[in-house]
Amino acid sequence: SAVISQKPSRDICQRGTSLTIQCQVDSQVTMMFWYRQQPGQSLTLIATANQGSEATYESGFVIDKFPISRPNLTFSTLTVSNMSPEDSSIYLCSTHRAGEAFFGQGTRLTVV
Amino acid sequence: GENVEQHPSTLSVQEGDSAVIKCTYSDSASNYFPWYKQELGKGPQLIIDIRSNVGEKKDQRIAVTLNKTAKHFSLHITETQPEDSAVYFCAASNRYSTLTFGKGTMLLVSP
Repeated sequence: SAVISQKPSRDICQRGTSLTIQCQVDSQVTMMFWYRQQPGQSLTLIATANQGSEATYESGFVIDKFPISRPNLTFSTLTVSNMSPEDSSIYLCSTHRAGEAFFGQGTRLTVV
Repeated sequence: GENVEQHPSTLSVQEGDSAVIKCTYSDSASNYFPWYKQELGKGPQLIIDIRSNVGEKKDQRIAVTLNKTAKHFSLHITETQPEDSAVYFCAASNRYSTLTFGKGTMLLVSP
């Protein structure tokens, strides 16, 4: 199995500020994924991040709002920019290994 | 794109009873169907998965069935225990990289 360390586990942020979430994988992986899980809802894919190229964003998500970095094969960050209360969610990073998806423990973000 | 419907949204059972959660999908090209358990404050954990070349898979108290003709798959938990209480998500994928999730089922097992 793949181990993904995600931090912070939770944060309370002021509107208008930005938060960067980090994910570290215990081995090199080609793709990393970022999901949003709004309260009581399912997981929605924000973007796919490959090392050495720009992230691919899903419909409804844009780079200016959710910039992603993928500096190497074990690490990625997601920034939630210019936050508003509507951004309050759990954010999860994920990767795949041997056809199975593994998730970080999530970052519970509350914007006040 | 793929659309996954999951039912029920909540399910309450008594300890020892069985629980069944059902999902349907829209993309006939999907060939991988995992189930995840998410406990409070944690990320989803894979509990069982099935690929389109089999119709049923079992792992101790958990089983998954797949009907490709009808495009639906189900999770069966037998002899439920309070620690089975969690949110369960089904998902479908037609590629190695992208999963489409159902909306989740909150399972509550009462002692």
